[in-house]
Amino acid sequence: ILNVEQSPQSLHVQEGDSTNFTCSFPSSNFYALHWYRWETAKSPEALFVMTLNGDEKKKGRISATLNTKEGYSYLYIKGSQPEDSATYLCALDSGGYQKVTFGIGTKLQVIP
Amino acid sequence: EPEVTQTPSHQVTQMGQEVILRCVPISNHLYFYWYRQILGQKVEFLVSFYNNEISEKSEIFDDQFSVERPDGSNFTLKIRSTKLEDSAMYFCAIGTPRTYEQYFGPGTRLTVT
Repeated sequence: ILNVEQSPQSLHVQEGDSTNFTCSFPSSNFYALHWYRWETAKSPEALFVMTLNGDEKKKGRISATLNTKEGYSYLYIKGSQPEDSATYLCALDSGGYQKVTFGIGTKLQVIP
Repeated sequence: EPEVTQTPSHQVTQMGQEVILRCVPISNHLYFYWYRQILGQKVEFLVSFYNNEISEKSEIFDDQFSVERPDGSNFTLKIRSTKLEDSAMYFCAIGTPRTYEQYFGPGTRLTVT
């Protein structure tokens, strides 16, 4: 059983603050790493898929980096806004898109 | 971004009853997945389905579970005899392996009483 860890599990930040959280995974089982943003009562929304060591992806104020050799990815949010409040999930794709192992998620609350 | 709908949004059933959860992708995809999340726990992979066959399944996906595409559009997950521990949110996803992306439906909350 693969273990995908996310930290912290919850986070409160003030509006305007920048923040980041971590996803760690077994580096020997890497094929791709997914980040999802999941708001309550909605579908998990795909943010990034990362496949190469050193990958950096950006979408607006959200960006992510990937280190496959040491087995971690960081998600950064610059200038947090209340609408960024959600649970951020990372998921390790270890078998060529067939099977994905999720972390528990980081629940972010941005306080206005 | 591909759209996926799921029905029903919430189903309550008694232990031992059969349930069928439905997923309708609004696009042509060949790769389908079911996941579940028991309240407070991680999202768990159940099964992947390609070209009308199961391509991989987890240890959770035992003989009580089955999947099919009965009419080429709907993708269903059947639980033959539900147990209390089957209570969870069930998500369908469609995949585009070329880009590794998966797109999720809104989920069906299953409550077994």
